[in-house]
Formats: sequence, structure tokens, C-alpha cells
Amino acid sequence: KAGVTQTPRYLIKTRGQQVTLSCSPISGHRSVSWYQQTPGQGLQFLFEYFSETQRNKGNFPGRFSGRQFSNSRSEMNVSTLELGDSALYLCASSLTGGVVADTQYFGPGTRLTVL
Amino acid sequence: AQTVTQSQPEMSVQEAETVTLSCTYDTSESDYYLFWYKQPPSRQMILVIRQEAYKQQNATENRFSVNFQKAAKSFSLKISDSQLGDAAMYFCAYRMMRGSNYKLTFGKGTLLTVNP
Repeated sequence: KAGVTQTPRYLIKTRGQQVTLSCSPISGHRSVSWYQQTPGQGLQFLFEYFSETQRNKGNFPGRFSGRQFSNSRSEMNVSTLELGDSALYLCASSLTGGVVADTQYFGPGTRLTVL
Repeated sequence: AQTVTQSQPEMSVQEAETVTLSCTYDTSESDYYLFWYKQPPSRQMILVIRQEAYKQQNATENRFSVNFQKAAKSFSLKISDSQLGDAAMYFCAYRMMRGSNYKLTFGKGTLLTVNP
């Protein structure tokens, strides 16, 4: 079974631009979570989607948004990029993400650099 | 809000030796899950071991075992017979069992170096 895939793996943008990152979960997984990883703040939860609905959201500004499609693939969008948005963005998928503590499987991440 | 603290930013161990990574957490919940994740230099996060708070028995996965002390809110990871491939950043994580927010809350991580 293929693992979680994220595209692109690396991205360089300039301040003020917007960016879209993509995540394809493991086949059959319906929950997709996004995390931001930086040296200073560590791993921080962005949001979680289940069956095309945002179920949980972390403490990030409205510039960070996401969505999930009917095939469970998810995208996250960051508008009006700031230097502080430079980070590794990790996507994790799980079967349900909820009632049963099914394991979250992580993708390799997208390294975003904002210049 | 739940917090997870890893007090050792870096640890090193000799190959074939045993090392213990520390983790403490704070929560008002009585039921929850605790995890150790490993992130090698390639950056793919991998689950190492999981512990359910309602289970008194410590979880074990081959060379990896935990010491779960619920009253002390402590969750340490012991790696026995350390191998070069164990070198990675290790993250301790917490997740609620009930409610509607199932996010993982991570500690800052411990960078483990394995010396040959």
C-alpha cells in the first residue's frame, strides 16, 4: 500500500505570494491532518479534515486554509506569505482520526521557503 | 491546554547500549493516548510506540519500551541495543481520547545520536 504523498517536496516563494500544498492520504484513509514544523515553534497543528469537512483547527491566522476532496486528498493554502511561514509542512492521514486511536501516518513533508 | 515537555534537546548513546528519553506532559484528562514518533534525517515521521493511558502495562515494541507513570505524568522511551539506524529526532506526543479534537500535541523533540 502506498504511503502518504505530498507535493511538491520543495517550494520557494516570495513574500506576498500564495501557495498551495497537496497531500494524498493512504488509500482508505478519510482523515487528513496538517502540521507546521519550524525550529523555533516545533510541530504545531494546523487543521484536520474528515469526509470533506474541517473538523478541527489550530491557532493559525485565516491566511492558512485547507480543503478536502471526495477522494480524501487534501490541499492547504497559505495566502499573503510572510517570512515566518517558512517551514516544513507535514500531512498525516488516518482511517478515522477520531473515536478509535488509529495511527496517524505522516508524509515526507513540503519544505516551504519564503524569501 | 495540554502541553508536552521533552527536557533533553540532545542525547547520545554508544551502539549496542541502552538510552532513555524523557517526556512529561500536562493534562486534566483521565483518558488519553501517548506516542513516541521518530523523525530520521529524511524527515518522514514514523510511529515508534503508543500507550493508552487506561492501560497499566507499559507498551513494548521490540527494542523500544516505555515507562508510563500516570500519576507523575511521565512517559519515557527506552531504546535497548541501540543501532546506528536509531539516530533521529524523537518526538513525544499526546492525544485526547474523548471529545472532538484529536490533534497530536508534540514536545520539542530530542535529537538522538548513536556513536559506533
